[in-house]
Amino acid sequence: QKEVEQNSGPLSVPEGAIASLNCTYSDRGSQSFFWYRQYSGKSPELIMSIYSNGDKEDGRFTAQLNKASQYVSLLIRDSQPSDSATYLCAVTINQAGTALIFGKGTTLSVSS
Amino acid sequence: EPEVTQTPSHQVTQMGQEVILRCVPISNHLYFYWYRQILGQKVEFLVSFYNNEISEKSEIFDDQFSVERPDGSNFTLKIRSTKLEDSAMYFCASSEGGGWTGELFFGEGSRLTVL
Repeated sequence: QKEVEQNSGPLSVPEGAIASLNCTYSDRGSQSFFWYRQYSGKSPELIMSIYSNGDKEDGRFTAQLNKASQYVSLLIRDSQPSDSATYLCAVTINQAGTALIFGKGTTLSVSS
Repeated sequence: EPEVTQTPSHQVTQMGQEVILRCVPISNHLYFYWYRQILGQKVEFLVSFYNNEISEKSEIFDDQFSVERPDGSNFTLKIRSTKLEDSAMYFCASSEGGGWTGELFFGEGSRLTVL
């Protein structure tokens, strides 16, 4: 059974702080990794993708991947109240990438 | 901006009834997916579809479920005989590429309530 694990939270940070979200996955064959954001009652929306080891930055967001440790993380700098949402880690289901499987998500709360 | 559209937004049905959920993927996308999310739980993969056939399905996607692309724009999920535990939000998603580039774009969801 392939699994994607995340701490469910809630993770609470003050406005302007750095939020750090973590994810581990069970299948060493997974090739592509994604972070989605889901506001309450809404559908997931893609924030970032990462395919190779290291860091990838996009604005206030940085994704980090370590395939040897089967670990993916997302850093959100200068957190804003509008960042308050559930962040879902997603991983390709197999080497062919025929679908994504999701973790349960980490709920982030940014207080002003 | 192109988007995935789903209908209906909410459907209430009696246990044992058949339900069809409809989706219009983004027009140049070739890969289509159905996911579901039971309230308070994680987004669960049901099925992926490419080139008019199922490319992957999960254990959840048993014989009561089927998918179809009846024309060039719609992608449907049929639940043959609904059960109480089928109550969930069902999300359709599409992607331009599969495999490594499978960045999924989700519709707003169809909430199914089975009584």
